Amino acid sequence: GEKVEQHESTLSVREGDSAVINCTYTDTASSYFPWYKQEAGKSLHFVIDIRSNVDRKQSQRLTVLLDKKAKRFSLHITATQPEDSAIYFCAASPNTGYQNFYFGKGTSLTVIP
Amino acid sequence: GGIITQTPKFLIGQEGQKLTLKCQQNFNHDTMYWYRQDSGKGLRLIYYSITENDLQKGDLSEGYDASREKKSSFSLTVTSAQKNEMAVFLCASSLGHSNTGQLYFGEGSKLTVL
Repeated sequence: GEKVEQHESTLSVREGDSAVINCTYTDTASSYFPWYKQEAGKSLHFVIDIRSNVDRKQSQRLTVLLDKKAKRFSLHITATQPEDSAIYFCAASPNTGYQNFYFGKGTSLTVIP
Repeated sequence: GGIITQTPKFLIGQEGQKLTLKCQQNFNHDTMYWYRQDSGKGLRLIYYSITENDLQKGDLSEGYDASREKKSSFSLTVTSAQKNEMAVFLCASSLGHSNTGQLYFGEGSKLTVL
């Protein structure tokens, strides 16, 4: 089955700097790559996604890049703020027609004021 | 907007006990999921269901049963709780199997086995 590796388990940046979280996947059939954020003591909520028909998607301070050849995708957060501090999970969904998502282990991002 | 409600929020059990977690969603979503979240291991899929009375095993289904008797509800049973087990179980839902779309998560049910 699909394996999603999330390379940074922890990441600290200064407020205002950029943060980058990298993920790789193994299944070439994966076609949908969402990112989720989990704030302390809370559940996960969706932040941004990218489909395999594009290689870049931006939403305000968040950008997702997808390199299908390298089977790699990344989340870029610019102008970080303390409220960006959270655990971020990447995920991949194989193109099976069913919604079987595979998650990375999470990256704990700390934004230092 | 909708909401996913998981009950109970906290569950304490004894070794060998059968324990059931419940999940309700009012999004009218077709697909529902149960994930297990362990510290440092991310989320692992236990069961999912694409419609009422459908069940699909995930990678972590051994030791669990699931039931989807209504579109709006999905329950998970730990068939025999393991001593010192501690995990958070997350229920989620999404629009449907034909549409790759985002998951909506519940607040989680935290299991502790004494």
